[in-house]
Amino acid sequence: DAGITQSPRHKVTETGTPVTLRCHQTENHRYMYWYRQDPGHGLRLIHYSYGVKDTDKGEVSDGYSVSRSKTEDFLLTLESATSSQTSVYFCAISESGRPETQYFGPGTRLLVL
Amino acid sequence: DQQVKQNSPSLSVQEGRISILNCDYTNSMFDYFLWYKKYPAEGPTFLISISSIKDKNEDGRFTVFLNKSAKHLSLHIVPSQPGDSAVYFCAASVYNNNDMRFGAGTRLTVKP
Repeated sequence: DAGITQSPRHKVTETGTPVTLRCHQTENHRYMYWYRQDPGHGLRLIHYSYGVKDTDKGEVSDGYSVSRSKTEDFLLTLESATSSQTSVYFCAISESGRPETQYFGPGTRLLVL
Repeated sequence: DQQVKQNSPSLSVQEGRISILNCDYTNSMFDYFLWYKKYPAEGPTFLISISSIKDKNEDGRFTVFLNKSAKHLSLHIVPSQPGDSAVYFCAASVYNNNDMRFGAGTRLTVKP
C-alpha cells in the first residue's frame, strides 16, 4: 500500500543549510498535510494544502515553507535549518479533509547538527 | 500551550485485561475527538472517533468515552492483545477545521 511516500526517509544536515522534504501520493487526494512529531508534544501541524497552489499555515509554521505545484506532490522546505527543527516529519493525505480520513506516510527523520 | 494532554506516558497491562488510556483537553471549542495508533517506524493510523454530541462510541474491542463537563475522554480496549502494543495519540479538532491538536501520546505495552 504505497499510496503515500516520503523522501528522504532519513537525513542528517548542518545548521544553516536548506532542506526540502518531499511527500508524494498516488491517491489523487485533494488535501495534504505536513506534521512534525517531537517527544512530549505529539504531532503538530506545520502547513497543509487544500488544492494545487492552495496552502495554509498550521500551528508551528515559522521557519517552514511549502509548495504544491501538482496534486501528487507536497514539498516542505526548511530555508535555513536549525537544531530545533530536528524532528520526525509526517505527511498525511485526505480526500475529504475530515480528520478521521487522514492517512499518514511513514515519516522522515531529520537531524540538524 | 498544550490544549490536549495525555498525562500517562506509558501503560502496561496483561493480555486479556482492559486497557484504559486517558486524555484531557482545555479548549471548549473542540467538538470532535480522535484516537490514533502508531507502531514504530510507521505513521499514525486512525482508530476511532467521537463527536461532542455523543458520550460513547464503540468499534469492536475499542470504546471511546467522552465527558464534556470534565473535558476528558478515554479509550478502552477490551480484551487487550499483544498486537495492541503501540503508542496511542489522542487528538481534538473543531468540526471541519484542518488544525487537529494532538496529545503527547501514551505507550501501551500488552504482556502475553
